[in-house]
Amino acid sequence: GNSVTQMEGPVTLSEEAFLTINCTYTATGYPSLFWYVQYPGEGLQLLLKATKADDKGSNKGFEATYRKETTSFHLEKGSVQVSDSAVYFCALSLIQGAQKLVFGQGTRLTINP
Amino acid sequence: DTEVTQTPKHLVMGMTNKKSLKCEQHMGHRAMYWYKQKAKKPPELMFVYSYEKLSINESVPSRFSPECPNSSLLNLHLHALQPEDSALYLCASRGTRGNEQFFGPGTRLTVL
Repeated sequence: GNSVTQMEGPVTLSEEAFLTINCTYTATGYPSLFWYVQYPGEGLQLLLKATKADDKGSNKGFEATYRKETTSFHLEKGSVQVSDSAVYFCALSLIQGAQKLVFGQGTRLTINP
Repeated sequence: DTEVTQTPKHLVMGMTNKKSLKCEQHMGHRAMYWYKQKAKKPPELMFVYSYEKLSINESVPSRFSPECPNSSLLNLHLHALQPEDSALYLCASRGTRGNEQFFGPGTRLTVL
């Protein structure tokens, strides 16, 4: 089956620290990979995506590279800010059918000033 | 317009009430989704509409009744809900070019 495993949280960092949130996946086909972010009291926002192996998605200083050989899509940011505090979801979607999103469990990130 | 909007933002209802949640998008997307999200959990898929037809029902209880009146609108009709149905209900849409889904802000539902 298809599944996503995310680094368990919560994660607490100081401002300007380096961030890595690990994400690995299992998929029967060739998935597209996503990172969504959810700020308190809000819906999910698409942060970045990658649709094929070796693609790098990037947005707002965040990056993730689609690694087919390690089935991973780790999220990184070089210098986090207090405003990055949120819950981050890694997800995959297959091209076929209704293209359901399969989510990881989410990682709660707190950045302290 | 790249937004998915949802109304109301908050809803409190009793177990005997009938209410509806509304979702709207004007991006020309032809796939629309309802999700339920409990606290500290990822969203769980409930329904998928494709070209205004219900294509997936993830074994959702019949007290939840979806409706897609046109390509821009998605409703979720609620009747005789239970307190455990209290959650954040999210709507999403997907275009035909990419396979990313765009989410609305959600409706926070409390069932008393």
